[in-house]
Amino acid sequence: GENVEQHPSTLSVQEGDSAVIKCTYSDSASNYFPWYKQELGKRPQLIIDIRSNVGEKKDQRIAVTLNKTAKHFSLHITETQPEDSAVYFCAASAPYNTNAGKSTFGDGTTLTVKP
Amino acid sequence: GAVVSQHPSWVICKSGTSVKIECRSLDFQATTMFWYRQFPKQSLMLMATSNEGSKATYEQGVEKDKFLINHASLTLSTLTVTSAHPEDSSFYICSARLAGRSNEQFFGPGTRLTVL
Repeated sequence: GENVEQHPSTLSVQEGDSAVIKCTYSDSASNYFPWYKQELGKRPQLIIDIRSNVGEKKDQRIAVTLNKTAKHFSLHITETQPEDSAVYFCAASAPYNTNAGKSTFGDGTTLTVKP
Repeated sequence: GAVVSQHPSWVICKSGTSVKIECRSLDFQATTMFWYRQFPKQSLMLMATSNEGSKATYEQGVEKDKFLINHASLTLSTLTVTSAHPEDSSFYICSARLAGRSNEQFFGPGTRLTVL
């Protein structure tokens, strides 16, 4: 099955700095890579996603890059703000017609942005 | 659009009782729903994949007789934790995948289960 590794487990940055979280996956068939932000006791919230036919995607301060050959993808947050503090999860998803498109999650990164 | 609800949001029960959690897609049809369990400060662990009109597919190590899943319609899946014990206390989250050619998932708000 799919295996997703996420690093670092904790990340502390100063407000305004950039934050980078990296994930690797094992199954080359995975074709959808979402990133979620989860606040304590809440549901995961999709913040950005990328599909395997795209190498990079950006949405304001958030960007994701994907290297299919190396099987790794990264989340980049620029100009971090205290409200960015949360746990971030990456995931790798099978195609919708394989294993029902199920997702495997990384272990999460606790991001703390210091004012 | 793409809203998923869960009920109840939290439940406290005595050891040995059964608890049913509902997951509904409110404004779309979901042929597939997923059930996850999340322990404090840990990741989401997939328990099972729920397919409308067929038996659920359980992940390795998840007891299908303990975690009963029913997906009776395109908008409702239920998870029943049978004979719950304190070690079953956790945050249970469902997600729903849009019918069709998409693997994007929409998450419910989760259910906090505490077994005394």
